[in-house]
Amino acid sequence: ETGVTQTPRHLVMGMTNKKSLKCEQHLGHNAMYWYKQSAKKPLELMFVYSLEERVENNSVPSRFSPECPNSSHLFLHLHTLQPEDSALYLCASSQSWTGSSEKLFFGSGTQLSVL
Amino acid sequence: AQSVAQPEDQVNVAEGNPLTVKCTYSVSGNPYLFWYVQYPNRGLQFLLKYITGDNLVKGSYGFEAEFNKSQTSFHLKKPSALVSDSALYFCAVRDSGNQFYFGTGTSLTVIP
Repeated sequence: ETGVTQTPRHLVMGMTNKKSLKCEQHLGHNAMYWYKQSAKKPLELMFVYSLEERVENNSVPSRFSPECPNSSHLFLHLHTLQPEDSALYLCASSQSWTGSSEKLFFGSGTQLSVL
Repeated sequence: AQSVAQPEDQVNVAEGNPLTVKCTYSVSGNPYLFWYVQYPNRGLQFLLKYITGDNLVKGSYGFEAEFNKSQTSFHLKKPSALVSDSALYFCAVRDSGNQFYFGTGTSLTVIP
């Protein structure tokens, strides 16, 4: 276990549904991240929160909406998704956002399928 | 622009043989280089990192990586492969702007 827990592990949703992905870290870290992993592509950084403030938003469609209520929890709210949004969504954390030598701790991911 | 290249989608190696997974990078400034491994149905796990100092970095599970500044490479190596090493391996670089850039991953299969 890496100390980063994601739920659910699998999610199937229709294009008109609204769902949320949850991430919780038990490491006392100050930075949390959402990544999208698609086959044969580099991991795509979606959002970064540092001390509950959003510090990065890499041109992600508005149908993805992040929420960070405290430094231990991160959500990704989903609505009116497209089939091309099907992917593995990974949450990660690190001690801080500004330490360039810091490593990321990843959760096991949520495998999302949009029908 | 910062980037990471893993030129091989798939690497096959016989158990007990040495393995190499290749990575080259392009980044402005001093690079911070990382290797992560992903087992099926799991997230990425940290293996090792290069920040500064000795060009040969040792990490978890007997893996090591060699930083070569002139060739802008950071290849992952292990002297003797195990079947349990079969997984997806990602190279990553972190720039001075705190962004991580990941490669596309290399699937390693160790054949018994």
